[in-house]
Amino acid sequence: ETGVTQSPTHLIKTRGQQVTLRCSSQSGHNTVSWYQQALGQGPQFIFQYYREEENGRGNFPPRFSGLQFPNYSSELNVNALELDDSALYLCASSFPIGSGSYTFGSGTRLTVV
Amino acid sequence: GIQVEQSPPDLILQEGANSTLRCNFSDSVNNLQWFHQNPWGQLINLFYIPSGTKQNGRLSATTVATERYSLLYISSSQTTDSGVYFCAVVDTDKLIFGTGTRLQVFP
Repeated sequence: ETGVTQSPTHLIKTRGQQVTLRCSSQSGHNTVSWYQQALGQGPQFIFQYYREEENGRGNFPPRFSGLQFPNYSSELNVNALELDDSALYLCASSFPIGSGSYTFGSGTRLTVV
Repeated sequence: GIQVEQSPPDLILQEGANSTLRCNFSDSVNNLQWFHQNPWGQLINLFYIPSGTKQNGRLSATTVATERYSLLYISSSQTTDSGVYFCAVVDTDKLIFGTGTRLQVFP
């Protein structure tokens, strides 16, 4: 079975720009979650998608948005980038929703300059 | 929401030593996982252990759900064990991560 894959691995953007990060979930997993991990901290929940609908959101502003596609892959979009958005962005897939084991991708390291 | 605390925050070991990492959580949970984050940022599943004891090679974990804690044991540590260890619990469909334990193993 395939694991969780994320792209790109590294990205540098300028403040004010927009970015799209991508995630392919593990085979058979229908739930995808996104996490932001700032340097030296634990991952923080951004939001979760289940059956193409947002199913839970953390304390992040609306400029963080997402999509889930019929094949359960997902995108994270961030508009109007700020310097504090520099972080490692992690995608996790799980099954069944709410109780299954979570599997993480290797992350996208975003630097905003 | 659920609070998750880990101890110790930092651990320095010589290769071959054993260690115990602790995770305390503030409310009952149905899901607890231990992860190892390697220096490249990858979060690697170690154990899915809402209760009971599991072993995988040199690593084992025990969760006592009624007392709201979990322990991760690392025996005969190796330099490749270095990194940050996180426990995480599910709270209303999201993972809440602990503060992490940074482990450094020296030869």
